[in-house]
Amino acid sequence: EAGVAQSPRYKIIEKRQSVAFWCNPISGHATLYWYQQILGQGPKLLIQFQNNGVVDDSQLPKDRFSAERLKGVDSTLKIQPAKLEDSAVYLCASSLFRGFNEKLFFGSGTQLSVL
Amino acid sequence: AQKITQTQPGMFVQEKEAVTLDCTYDTSDQSYGLFWYKQPSSGEMIFLIYQGSYDEQNATEGRYSLNFQKARKSANLVISASQLGDSAMYFCAMREGFKAGTASKLTFGTGTRLQVTL
Repeated sequence: EAGVAQSPRYKIIEKRQSVAFWCNPISGHATLYWYQQILGQGPKLLIQFQNNGVVDDSQLPKDRFSAERLKGVDSTLKIQPAKLEDSAVYLCASSLFRGFNEKLFFGSGTQLSVL
Repeated sequence: AQKITQTQPGMFVQEKEAVTLDCTYDTSDQSYGLFWYKQPSSGEMIFLIYQGSYDEQNATEGRYSLNFQKARKSANLVISASQLGDSAMYFCAMREGFKAGTASKLTFGTGTRLQVTL
């Protein structure tokens, strides 16, 4: 079974530029998550999709971050314009969602450096 | 207030020894789930073990066991017979606020870096 695919693996941009990350979840997984992991911290949820609908985006900085999940499969996370504090690893995860014990499957992440 | 607290930024353990990674949590929900994930240097978070709030037995998965003390709100991870490949970051996480028909949020702690030595 193929895992969660993310690209690019690394990205370096200057502040005020825009950047996009792509995620392909495990086939059949209805729920997709984007997490931000700043160095030395645990992952923080940015947005959660159920199929192609947003379930929770309460911690997404909507003035600069946007995300979409077309046709309930692939997802794209965009930052425009980027700030220095956006430097982090962006992790995508997916799950089947059957209850409390549902485990998340993570991709390897995209490491973003904003200079 | 922190939902998940991991007070050990780093731990060392000798190969073949057991090690306990601490985790305390804060919730007013009666129903919740507790998880441990491993993050090696490759970056991918890997599920290790799950404990439900109503589970009476401590969860076990191979060399991993979860020491669940509900009254103390602690969910410590015990790794037995440590191996060099266990060197990684370990994150405790909690899922709460479950409502039927919706997906609930998984909240992570700050992690503990485990280094296994020869």
